[in-house]
Amino acid sequence: GAVVSQHPSRVICKSGTSVKIECRSLDFQATTMFWYRQFPKQSLMLMATSNEGSKATYEQGVEKDKFLINHASLTLSTLTVTSAHPEDSSFYICSASPPSPTSYEQYFGPGTRLTVT
Amino acid sequence: SQQGEEDPQALSIQEGENATMNCSYKTSINNLQWYRQNSGRGLVHLILIRSNEREKHSGRLRVTLDTSKKSSSLLITASRAADTASYFCATGRDDKIIFGKGTRLHILP
Repeated sequence: GAVVSQHPSRVICKSGTSVKIECRSLDFQATTMFWYRQFPKQSLMLMATSNEGSKATYEQGVEKDKFLINHASLTLSTLTVTSAHPEDSSFYICSASPPSPTSYEQYFGPGTRLTVT
Repeated sequence: SQQGEEDPQALSIQEGENATMNCSYKTSINNLQWYRQNSGRGLVHLILIRSNEREKHSGRLRVTLDTSKKSSSLLITASRAADTASYFCATGRDDKIIFGKGTRLHILP
């Protein structure tokens, strides 16, 4: 099956610094990638939809200047949490969707646990 | 925003029993998917059912979809300790997937 990786799997950073999380589709090209955030014991909340070569579409309530998304190639999307604060500590998960008009499947990465101290 | 609401929020059953989880949603969908997540881990895709399908099976899993009631159910038969996890329904519309709040399933030995 299709594989999506994320790097790093865990990161601890100090308040005020920026952190970059990478999401890669390893064996397929992904025209669309999605970023989710999950707080402990809660569900996944869609943050933004990232399309290769264009600006990301953010969900309501998600600050685009704080969560910078870049989808520079068909296999890589990055999420940068800028000026991180403790409340940004969360589990960030990406997913990738292959370019098929008949497929609704998304393939999820293993997630990145961000802790801001 | 969240689309699906799972019921119950938490479920504990004895190993060997069947577990049933329900999901209700609000808007029209292209498909509905069920995922499993072990504590602190990534998502495992279980099954996808399209809006024109009513029932689907995969191993010990049985999923139903009632678009008139905007609801779906996931049945896990002959539960095992390894089935202990959180289960999420996710509704697909256009190219987005929106997750429900999830059901935490605990299988008792």
